[in-house]
Amino acid sequence: DAGVIQSPRHEVTEMGQEVTLRCKPISGHNSLFWYRQTMMRGLELLIYFNNNVPIDDSGMPEDRFSAKMPNASFSTLKIQPSEPRDSAVYFCASSHRSGGSTEAFFGQGTRLTVV
Amino acid sequence: RKEVEQDPGPFNVPEGATVAFNCTYSNSASQSFFWYRQDCRKEPKLLMSVYSSGNEDGRFTAQLNRASQYISLLIRDSKLSDSATYLCVVPSGGGADGLTFGKGTHLIIQP
Repeated sequence: DAGVIQSPRHEVTEMGQEVTLRCKPISGHNSLFWYRQTMMRGLELLIYFNNNVPIDDSGMPEDRFSAKMPNASFSTLKIQPSEPRDSAVYFCASSHRSGGSTEAFFGQGTRLTVV
Repeated sequence: RKEVEQDPGPFNVPEGATVAFNCTYSNSASQSFFWYRQDCRKEPKLLMSVYSSGNEDGRFTAQLNRASQYISLLIRDSKLSDSATYLCVVPSGGGADGLTFGKGTHLIIQP
């Protein structure tokens, strides 16, 4: 298996533009997580899905952020409009939930810079 | 108390030495814990899980102290390749599947 695949790896965009980050989880995994990492705040859980259904989006910073998971093999995180303070590394992770917390496998991340 | 708290370091340790660091957590109901390792500009990867009795994996030992609500990671005979950031991880709680990460402890092994 190729692991969790994220695209793009790097994104530089101007303030106000829409940004879409993509994630393909590991086949067979039923939980998917979006995290954001900055020096100041560390790794923050933004939202997670279980069986394609959003379970907890309390970490989503504001209405400019939205996430979807139309099927078991694809998820997107969209920021519209983007702001410089959104600059961070965004990680997608997936796991196979079989009762209790299990190991999460991370993608390589998308490094977002908003100028 | 913050959900997960770690000393950010950096810990500068000579090669071959033993190093240990702790992590405190606030949710007393947490059952399982993890240590993840993150190399510079890479994604976090599971290092080891920590269960009630603690566990050992080669040079690495993880222990849990429920009474004081902390977990520890001990690295013996440290190698240069152990240089990384070590993230303490606990379940987010409330029946959720999410994992809450500490900000990590930065370890530098010096030759």
